[in-house]
Amino acid sequence: QVQLVESGGGLVQPGGSLRLSCAASGFTFIDYYMTWIRQAPGKGLEWISYITSSGTTIFYADSVKGRFTISRDNSKNSLFLEMDSLSAEDTAVYYCVRETYSDGYSFDYWGQGTLVTVSS
Amino acid sequence: QSVLTQPPSVSATPGQKVAISCSGGSSNIGNNYVSWYQHLPGTAPKLLIYDNNKRPSGIPDRFSGSKSGTSATLAITGLQTGDEGDYYCGTWDSSLRLFGGGTKLTVL
Repeated sequence: QVQLVESGGGLVQPGGSLRLSCAASGFTFIDYYMTWIRQAPGKGLEWISYITSSGTTIFYADSVKGRFTISRDNSKNSLFLEMDSLSAEDTAVYYCVRETYSDGYSFDYWGQGTLVTVSS
Repeated sequence: QSVLTQPPSVSATPGQKVAISCSGGSSNIGNNYVSWYQHLPGTAPKLLIYDNNKRPSGIPDRFSGSKSGTSATLAITGLQTGDEGDYYCGTWDSSLRLFGGGTKLTVL
């Protein structure tokens, strides 16, 4: 069965950095786009970035562009999110999500999420 | 402020039907497919509807989706207390993915 397991969350000071990881299993990782989505406390879901299956094309939401870097290691079935210049507004649960395509795009499998707290 | 507009909350009693709307524009919903997600307390979000009106395996037919022009609707019939949670529409615009602001469903 498909499993996505995030790690790397925790408490970080404003201006600091953090690297999230996602271990994927149960499917052919290289066949799928992968995405990071977050949810701040009391807020809705926010898409922040996706990376194509080969890793050659990447897009970011404006809210994280220039500060966050998504990457993947297809040999290790892993997805990463490098987060720099963190602020309190980045406090959220971060989800690793598989994107699928039929006639359109949708997010069919989600990890349980990892909590990132930015505070002094 | 989300580009896709959903009502903040809806409520109904068990057994009833509820509809949740998602309004966008010509560059997102108007030209692309819509998906819907259920987010229950303490769980990861779950895909309910994709390609406007298709259900993934395991999603009961109480859940249905439709789209007309620049708006989409999620309908839930035979409401159960276990349906209480947040519901989000999703689509894309150019290459960016979008979510609605979410709708809190309360089953009274």
